[in-house]
Amino acid sequence: QSVLTQPPSASGTPGQRVTISCSGSSSNIGSYTVNWYQQLPGTAPHLLIYNNNQRPSGVPDRFSGSKSGTSASLAISGLQSEDEADYYCAAWDDSVNGPVFGGGTELTVL
Amino acid sequence: QVQLVQSGSELKKPGASVKVSCKTSGYTFTTYAMNWVRQAPGQGLEWMGWINTNTGNPTYAQGFTGRFVFSLDTSVRTAYLQISSLKAEDSAVYYCAREYDFSLGMDVWGQGTTVTVSS
Repeated sequence: QSVLTQPPSASGTPGQRVTISCSGSSSNIGSYTVNWYQQLPGTAPHLLIYNNNQRPSGVPDRFSGSKSGTSASLAISGLQSEDEADYYCAAWDDSVNGPVFGGGTELTVL
Repeated sequence: QVQLVQSGSELKKPGASVKVSCKTSGYTFTTYAMNWVRQAPGQGLEWMGWINTNTGNPTYAQGFTGRFVFSLDTSVRTAYLQISSLKAEDSAVYYCAREYDFSLGMDVWGQGTTVTVSS
């Protein structure tokens, strides 16, 4: 059972916009910034969004992040087949005194 | 370019030990902390802890104390994860990932090392 709650799966068709939610509490998302990671099949995770809504260089602007209260969201617009991956949110947690990850969302492009 | 290159897959028997290496290049080793993250088969990511590459001081997440040891060899810019008294449930992919500050994220990851524990 992950500290941060994500839907286990999401799907969309090419060109569509999809969002993935990440729900936490006052000890994590409510107090700290959120990062998002993308894990393509069979590969290591890589940083997709940091500090709630910042994109590292090289990440397309189709990917965007937001945070409100104790929840965060990742939005992917103009969905492409290569976006099929697992997506994880992460936030610092006071109870753990370290980062906690969401359980991950498997995105399928139909 | 910045790289974290991990050692290869390991097959170990229960009760044995394993040491995973994470060799870095392309940046000042002591500027970034090093995290360790576990991913059990078919499961999500789990933060194991981190090591301060300046002081060598490790911090272990709950559930990763006792049998897990983080260490460094700064002369070769390498971080290590050692697991002793291996159990079947330690079978997983282990990743190292550098981080300057949590708000900036774990911005570079190793390719992962698969550890399989089986008799």
